[in-house]
Amino acid sequence: NAGVTQTPKFQVLKTGQSMTLQCAQDMNHNSMYWYRQDPGMGLRLIYYSASEGTTDKGEVPNGYNVSRLNKREFSLRLESAAPSQTSVYFCASSATAEQFFGPGTRLTVL
Amino acid sequence: SQQGEEDPQALSIQEGENATMNCSYKTSINNLQWYRQNSGRGLVHLILIRSNEREKHSGRLRVTLDTSKKSSSLLITASRAADTASYFCATGPISSGSARQLTFGSGTQLTVLP
Repeated sequence: NAGVTQTPKFQVLKTGQSMTLQCAQDMNHNSMYWYRQDPGMGLRLIYYSASEGTTDKGEVPNGYNVSRLNKREFSLRLESAAPSQTSVYFCASSATAEQFFGPGTRLTVL
Repeated sequence: SQQGEEDPQALSIQEGENATMNCSYKTSINNLQWYRQNSGRGLVHLILIRSNEREKHSGRLRVTLDTSKKSSSLLITASRAADTASYFCATGPISSGSARQLTFGSGTQLTVLP
């Protein structure tokens, strides 16, 4: 039982490049979330998926797209990376109010 | 914008002492949760208190909630070096549909000195 897994752990991109962050959970949770965390700040919600087949914008969705591939997997795509997207990205899942977090992806955009 | 704001931003105590962190929020909530984040890791859920509860305990943790003041506190008793981490409050809104959206505060960095 791995919980929430994220790949990759680290990534360096050049401005304008694209990439997809992968997230998977094995707890059969309906809801999944993508957050970003910037230095000295809490987490800010980018996108979430209440259930398979649905996605909704969070607080800071600009520059990102998501895909809820199936119940287990929720991916985050940066189509044209910008330095402002340098951050640590966390995926989470939940069945109730409590959320379970992955270990994070540290992304640097040069 | 961030719903919750923690106070203090940083706290340094000796092992064995108690640590108290406070959280204030702006809008009505369904629940308030506290999470811990060790350096370089993901967040781990500690405790949840519902809006109709005033106090909750879990091991060495005690959480209080005052909805009239829109504030909460987290008390860690008999602290240990392993408690060194960042602590975040997160609020769940009254209406969030089938997804439990949370809004996180900016966190308190707790350092417990041996």
